[in-house]
Amino acid sequence: AQSVSQHNHHVILSEAASLELGCNYSYGGTVNLFWYVQYPGQHLQLLLKYFSGDPLVKGIKGFEAEFIKSKFSFNLRKPSVQWSDTAEYFCAVNAWNQGGKLIFGQGTELSVKP
Amino acid sequence: NAGVTQTPKFQVLKTGQSMTLQCAQDMNHEYMSWYRQDPGMGLRLIHYSVGAGITDQGEVPNGYNVSRSTTEDFPLRLLSAAPSQTSVYFCASSSGGRRDGYTFGSGTRLTVV
Repeated sequence: AQSVSQHNHHVILSEAASLELGCNYSYGGTVNLFWYVQYPGQHLQLLLKYFSGDPLVKGIKGFEAEFIKSKFSFNLRKPSVQWSDTAEYFCAVNAWNQGGKLIFGQGTELSVKP
Repeated sequence: NAGVTQTPKFQVLKTGQSMTLQCAQDMNHEYMSWYRQDPGMGLRLIHYSVGAGITDQGEVPNGYNVSRSTTEDFPLRLLSAAPSQTSVYFCASSSGGRRDGYTFGSGTRLTVV
């Protein structure tokens, strides 16, 4: 069964600092990978997704993620965070042979100090 | 285009009561899922469906039932509510294509006392 692990539970940064959130998954087959964001009091919104091709994917709001197949990782990055990036971030994986089953990591809470 | 609609937004139940959380989508999506969100545990998959008449268990199915009689609706039933089911519940849908992510509803906050 697929599983997802996010290493950082709570990250605190100052504005303009660089961000990298770790995500590792366990599944040996072909996967689709996602990062979702949840702003306080809101539902989940898709930040970016990887299906195939270029392992460096760009999403909304200046976020990007790199898929490293050999490390089973899909880390999220942003060069310079803003106070408005304060939110919870979730990594998720969907295995190609698992149909509609999308599995999430535990989430990382990001707090950005102005 | 309403997307994924969940009702109610808030609900308080007494232990042992039953209720149904409603989820409807108007995007003709084949895939639908229910998740619960608890602090520090992320979103955990309860049940999911890949089409009308087809459902399957997720990571935490105990205490919950689902059915999928139409493409649009995917209700989640709590047969006998327990305090451990206090959580925020999210419904999500996807077209099912391998390049699609899920669209989420706004959630139902359930408290069982």
